[in-house]
Amino acid sequence: DTAVSQTPKYLVTQMGNDKSIKCEQNLGHDTMYWYKQDSKKFLKIMFSYNNKELIINETVPNRFSPKSPDKAHLNLHINSLELGDSAVYFCASSRRDRTGGYTFGSGTRLTVV
Amino acid sequence: QQQVKQSPQSLIVQKGGISIINCAYENTAFDYFPWYQQFPGKGPALLIAIRPDVSEKKEGRFTISFNKSAKQFSLHIMDSQPGDSATYFCAAAGTALIFGKGTTLSVSS
Repeated sequence: DTAVSQTPKYLVTQMGNDKSIKCEQNLGHDTMYWYKQDSKKFLKIMFSYNNKELIINETVPNRFSPKSPDKAHLNLHINSLELGDSAVYFCASSRRDRTGGYTFGSGTRLTVV
Repeated sequence: QQQVKQSPQSLIVQKGGISIINCAYENTAFDYFPWYQQFPGKGPALLIAIRPDVSEKKEGRFTISFNKSAKQFSLHIMDSQPGDSATYFCAAAGTALIFGKGTTLSVSS
């Protein structure tokens, strides 16, 4: 059973389109995150949700909107995609006290053409 | 402002050698310091982690050394193997994990 699963794994789309990435965790964790990994492999926090409540919203364009229907799911919707949005997006989850660390999904490679 | 600084950017080690990666942090509110290993096309996977009240933690061939006063910590990989070739990230946690920029390790056979 995959602990943190993301779909799709690959996403190729044109500039200006709207797309969503879905994330689900079956670990019973309280907190979920979205990270962006750029072409230089730098991992940057975008959002954090704890029990469906937004905790962290880093400096991210408001074209990015996370949605958490329940504590096991955290989806990322991106409007009006731009070339600079091309990256790998990782979903992660953790217990509130971080016991056991953060568990990452396998990533969604987004390519905007 | 980079809150976690990692070095070196890349590292080549011979099989059986010791790989050492260093990190420094700025925010004294950080209370959890993990290391992650990432293979191409995969997500980061937790390797080993330490809390600031401990100076060293060892798990198999992997050891974290932690110096709270200097705000530095390091990962030592003993008896490095070709299968250890990957990108390694240090991180520090407050409300979320803040990552270093990564070290690409190549272990030559």
